[in-house]
Order: sequence, then structure tokens, then C-alpha cells
Amino acid sequence: GAVVSQHPSRVICKSGTSVKIECRSLDFQATTMFWYRQFPKQSLMLMATSNEGSKATYEQGVEKDKFLINHASLTLSTLTVTSAHPEDSSFYICSARGTVGVVDTQYFGPGTRLTVL
Amino acid sequence: EDQVTQSPEALRLQEGESSSLNCSYTVSGLRGLFWYRQDPGKGPEFLFTLYSAGEEKEKERLKATLTKKESFLHITAPKPEDSATYLCAVQASGQNFVFGPGTRLSVLP
Repeated sequence: GAVVSQHPSRVICKSGTSVKIECRSLDFQATTMFWYRQFPKQSLMLMATSNEGSKATYEQGVEKDKFLINHASLTLSTLTVTSAHPEDSSFYICSARGTVGVVDTQYFGPGTRLTVL
Repeated sequence: EDQVTQSPEALRLQEGESSSLNCSYTVSGLRGLFWYRQDPGKGPEFLFTLYSAGEEKEKERLKATLTKKESFLHITAPKPEDSATYLCAVQASGQNFVFGPGTRLSVLP
């Protein structure tokens, strides 16, 4: 079954509004969570890495004031897209690094499709 | 700089036609190589982890192998439900995952 949940799965918003996406690890503690962005038929683009209780590390070119990341606990991270614009429309995927059984890897959420009108 | 490439970019197979996908990597201090499957509009689903050259893992019609420079994902007698994008990622000594661009596999009935 799924080990990482993401909510909402789909969101449509007006330009200028803010959108919050939640990512939760289920049944394991995630020391590190990652946020990715994916455009159609392209691979995953890492946006930021966050560790519980500390500030996120953003990849080059990702605006930290626009994409606010909060890693409040070992099972929850949130990504807030502030003042969203149509160019922010994309598929956002979170992942959590942890150990499930004997496997230590990154487990991905199902993704959130953001459409900004 | 750690790099991961995958080939081919896209692959079309007839049902039952076995083939292999390639993942080539250049990393300093490989800690693990990971294969994921991604269906359209969904997050990647973990398939395998390989840690050292010579290691092999199998799951149903899939078998992953690893050498010091590349990994292969062999698909034996594929079915249409195997159609997906297959992503390869490596974890280097820096611990972050580096993903390849993926191979889009289509299996025709």
C-alpha cells in the first residue's frame, strides 16, 4: 500500500491565490522530505529538500519566497505556492526518505496537479 | 558532477517481446541505485534497490542488474499493463537522489 500520501490530488485556483499541498509519510518517520516538480513527459525536477525542524534547502533557480516549505514533524511537510500564476501550473510530487521493512529509499506521494487560471 | 542517463528515451514493444532498458551513471561513491515505475498522472512507485555491482533483483516480469557503470531493467514477455515510464535514480555519497530522464515504455497488445 501507499507509504506517502499527498493532499489535495488536484487543485484549480485563480491567479494570485496561494495553494498549500500536504505530504505525509504513513507508518514511518521521514528524516528528509523532498519536493519535486514535473512537466509533461519530463523527468522529476528537485525543488527543495527539507529536514524536520530546519529550513529547507532550495535548488538553484527555485524561489524560496514563492515556494514555502514547512517540515513541521517527521511525518508531515507542506509546500505552499504563494501568489500562484499560470506558469506555476504543474505536477508537484513529494517524497519522503525512510525505511519501510528493510528497504531504505525514497517513497513518493501520488502527486498534486496544480492548475492556475 | 553526478549524472544519470537512460536509454532509450521511448520504447514500443509488442506483447511478449522481451527487451532491456538502460541506466548509465557517473557518481562519486555510489550508495544505491533505484528503479521506479511511474504511470501518467501519478507519483513514482518504488521497484528495486541495487547496492553493488553484480547484484540482481527480480519482481514478476522485471529483473534489474547492476554493474559499476550501468544498470539494466530487463522486461521478460511484457504485457500492456507494463506500459509506464521507468525511472532510474542513484544515491551518491552526497545522499541526494539524482534521477535519470526516464524511459517511456509502451507495450502493444
